[in-house]
Amino acid sequence: DAGVIQSPRHEVTEMGQEVTLRCKPISGHDYLFWYRQTMMRGLELLIYFNNNVPIDDSGMPEDRFSAKMPNASFSTLKIQPSEPRDSAVYFCAAGRRGTEAFFGQGTRLTVV
Amino acid sequence: KQEVTQIPAALSVPEGENLVLNCSFTDSAIYNLQWFRQDPGKGLTSLLLIQSSQREQTSGRLNASLDKSSGRSTLYIAASQPGDSATYLCAVILSGGGADGLTFGKGTHLIIQP
Repeated sequence: DAGVIQSPRHEVTEMGQEVTLRCKPISGHDYLFWYRQTMMRGLELLIYFNNNVPIDDSGMPEDRFSAKMPNASFSTLKIQPSEPRDSAVYFCAAGRRGTEAFFGQGTRLTVV
Repeated sequence: KQEVTQIPAALSVPEGENLVLNCSFTDSAIYNLQWFRQDPGKGLTSLLLIQSSQREQTSGRLNASLDKSSGRSTLYIAASQPGDSATYLCAVILSGGGADGLTFGKGTHLIIQP
C-alpha cells in the first residue's frame, strides 16, 4: 500500500478563491482525519470520519470549511472562500480504532 | 478539554548522547498515546504507539514509557545520531465514545550535532 496520498502537495491561491484538498486513505482503515498545522497553533484536528460518516467536525474553524467522504477511498476538504489566515499545512490521516494513525505528506496552502 | 504539553520545546545535543523527551497530558482517561517524528516539510511518521494498559514500548534505539496516573510519557533516544534530528510530537486519544481524534503537543525540535 502506498500509504495516505494527498494532493496537491502545494497550493497557492488568491484570497476569495475556492480551494479543494484531496486525500486517498489507506485501504481498510475506517477512520479518516483532517488536521491543520501552523506555527502558532501546532496540529489541530478539523474533522474526522468513521466508515465515511462525519463523527466530529467541531474543529472546523468556520462555515467556509467543509469536508466530504463520498466513499472509503476518497475525501475532500474544501475552503470557500479562502482567506490569508487559512494558510497552513493540511494533513490527512488514516487509522483503525486503537491502532496507529498514518499521515499523508500534507498540502501546503498559501492564500495571498 | 485535553491539553498536551511537550518539554523542552527545543533541544540541541552532541551526537552519541542519550536523551529524554517529555510529554504531559491533562486528562488521564486516554485510550492510547502515540509518538511521531516530523522532518522539515514532511508528514508525520509514527514511531511508537502505547496502549493505555501498557507501560512502555520499544523500537530499536527508541523507548517510550507511559504513566497514566501522573499524565506523563517519555521518549528515550539512546546513542543519538545526526539522522535523529527532527521534531518529535506526542499525541493522545481519549477513551470514550466519539473522541477518536489525536490531540497533539506542539513538539520538541531536536538537533543532534555531529
